Amino acid sequence: RKEVEQDPGPFNVPEGATVAFNCTYSNSASQSFFWYRQDCRKEPKLLMSVYSSGNEDGRFTAQLNRASQYISLLIRDSKLSDSATYLCVVNKPSGYALNFGKGTSLLVTP
Amino acid sequence: DAGVTQSPTHLIKTRGQQVTLRCSPKSGHDTVSWYQQALGQGPQFIFQYYEEEERQRGNFPDRFSGHQFPNYSSELNVNALLLGDSALYLCASSFSETKAFFGQGTRLTVV
Repeated sequence: RKEVEQDPGPFNVPEGATVAFNCTYSNSASQSFFWYRQDCRKEPKLLMSVYSSGNEDGRFTAQLNRASQYISLLIRDSKLSDSATYLCVVNKPSGYALNFGKGTSLLVTP
Repeated sequence: DAGVTQSPTHLIKTRGQQVTLRCSPKSGHDTVSWYQQALGQGPQFIFQYYEEEERQRGNFPDRFSGHQFPNYSSELNVNALLLGDSALYLCASSFSETKAFFGQGTRLTVV
């Protein structure tokens, strides 16, 4: 079983739509959780950290369910500029490195 | 304030050759990690350097080695290149265990 699993998509949505991405992780000892955004042929950029209490940053809401080992990202009022690959990231419990999912591709269309 | 910088941005090498990639961390960061990202995949952890020592290593062969210098910059060396080593190599820096920031990457093509 992979350490971090995501639906690769692609998700094609119209502008203004709400879209949700999900991710599961295998190691219950993981302590840090993130969503990164990666544009085509560019480096990953931190979008937001994820906490059990849930956290929101503008149109983006992230949620962590430790019992189910499940992480989600909700994007409201999608913009064309949200088109990118969204990477679910979980720390490796044995040290300091990060485990990345394969990413979920989002295309927002006019 | 410069972010994480990597050089070169692109590189073409022949099978069997050796390559060195370089990374300068973000100002104030003391930890450098290297990742390999193959096409269509998420980044895979290679190793991490802290205080000039390899602190943790991923599942990569010994052909992959690295170094961290006193100014916290780092190098990734790959020996005996294989076609399968073609990928985007990403350097990430952080301070202690805080959030990691990535450089723009080096795109390595092995022919």
